[in-house]
Amino acid sequence: EDKVVQSPLSLVVHEGDTVTLNCSYEVTNFRSLLWYKQEKKAPTFLFMLTSSGIEKKSGRLSSILDKKELFSILNITATQTGDSAIYLCATPGGSQGNLIFGKGTKLSVKP
Amino acid sequence: GAVVSQHPSRVICKSGTSVKIECRSLDFQATTMFWYRQFPKQSLMLMATSNEGSKATYEQGVEKDKFLINHASLTLSTLTVTSAHPEDSSFYICSASLLETQYFGPGTRLLVL
Repeated sequence: EDKVVQSPLSLVVHEGDTVTLNCSYEVTNFRSLLWYKQEKKAPTFLFMLTSSGIEKKSGRLSSILDKKELFSILNITATQTGDSAIYLCATPGGSQGNLIFGKGTKLSVKP
Repeated sequence: GAVVSQHPSRVICKSGTSVKIECRSLDFQATTMFWYRQFPKQSLMLMATSNEGSKATYEQGVEKDKFLINHASLTLSTLTVTSAHPEDSSFYICSASLLETQYFGPGTRLLVL
């Protein structure tokens, strides 16, 4: 059965801290791994990873994939209160490519 | 690029009425769109996969006669909640596929009184 597991489920840090969010996956036919940020509305796309070892970076956020260990991490440096959100990891599964989501990591950044 | 819109963003209706939610890909064509439902503090739950020009594929436990999906064009899919009941109150989100990535609409918050 295809599945995605995220850890930790919740995390509380102070502004300026660096955080690492984890995502492990098992999928029959791996195509890509996706990270999303969800605040009060629908998820917004952050990264798509398809190749091992190649870091994707956007500002203070970065992510990397390890296809051998079936694992990805999302790093956020110098966190700000605006980074508070639920971060979702997902991978396409099934014949129609519907996303298999992890339960998410709820990040709270305190001032 | 890759913008998905939903309309309405919020709707309140009486029990027994039907509600239509539209999902549009604004700057790309999407042969496949997905409909999700999310309850408070829970993850997204896939309801159905909508394919342009063919019948939608529903996930187990989702009533196809209650949640009617129409994907009439490459940029528009609609979800109609028929004979809505208070337990249908939820956050409905659509997404559209582009190059192996799914882009989400902003969601529609439905409240059935």
